[in-house]
Amino acid sequence: SQQGEEDPQALSIQEGENATMNCSYKTSINNLQWYRQNSGRGLVHLILIRSNEREKHSGRLRVTLDTSKKSSSLLITASRAADTASYFCATAASPGNTPLVFGKGTRLSVIA
Amino acid sequence: GAVVSQHPSRVICKSGTSVKIECRSLDFQATTMFWYRQFPKQSLMLMATSNEGSKATYEQGVEKDKFLINHASLTLSTLTVTSAHPEDSSFYICSAGWRGELFFGEGSRLTVL
Repeated sequence: SQQGEEDPQALSIQEGENATMNCSYKTSINNLQWYRQNSGRGLVHLILIRSNEREKHSGRLRVTLDTSKKSSSLLITASRAADTASYFCATAASPGNTPLVFGKGTRLSVIA
Repeated sequence: GAVVSQHPSRVICKSGTSVKIECRSLDFQATTMFWYRQFPKQSLMLMATSNEGSKATYEQGVEKDKFLINHASLTLSTLTVTSAHPEDSSFYICSAGWRGELFFGEGSRLTVL
C-alpha cells in the first residue's frame, strides 16, 4: 500500500531558485529515502535519513525528518535545469532487505 | 555499490502474448527481490516480493496467475506477464537488497498493443 504523500504534486521554478518538496507518511519507519527519476528512466538514490536523524545534507540537497509529525522535506538549493525530474520519498519499516513504500512524487520543472 | 540489471529495457508485444522480464543482481547474491510497477505519471507500487527457492508474496490486488514470478537462483528473478493486455502497459522495476541498502534496476517499459 502506498503511504507517502508528497506536496506539491508539481513545482515549477526558475533556475537558481530553491525547491522544497514535502513528504508525509503514516506508519513508523526505520528510514526515509529520497529518489529522483528522470522521465521514463530508472531511479536515482539521492539521500537516506534514519529515524533517529533530524537533518542531513548532501551537496545541494538538504533533507529534514520530523518523526513526531511523520513528515520529511527535501530542499534543493540553487536549482539547475538538470534538476528537472520527479522526486519521490520512500519509507522503510525496518533496515535491510525490506521493500520501500513510495510516495506519489513531486514533478519539478526548473526553467532556464 | 551493487548493481541490479533488468532486461529487456523496452518491450512491445501484441495483446494476448506473454512477456518475461529478468532482474539480475550482478555482483551480489539476493535471496529477496522486489517487483514494482509504475503507470505513467504515477508512483511506484510494490507488486510482489520474490523469494529465492520459494513462492513469491503478492501485494493485495495483484493477480499471481497473471504476474508469474520465479526466483530460481540467488542472482536472478523473472517476472512473466501472461496474456498481456494494453492495461498491463507500464514501467516495471525490480530491486534487491545488499548490506542494508536497496538497489534498483533500470526498469523495463512494457507496451502492449
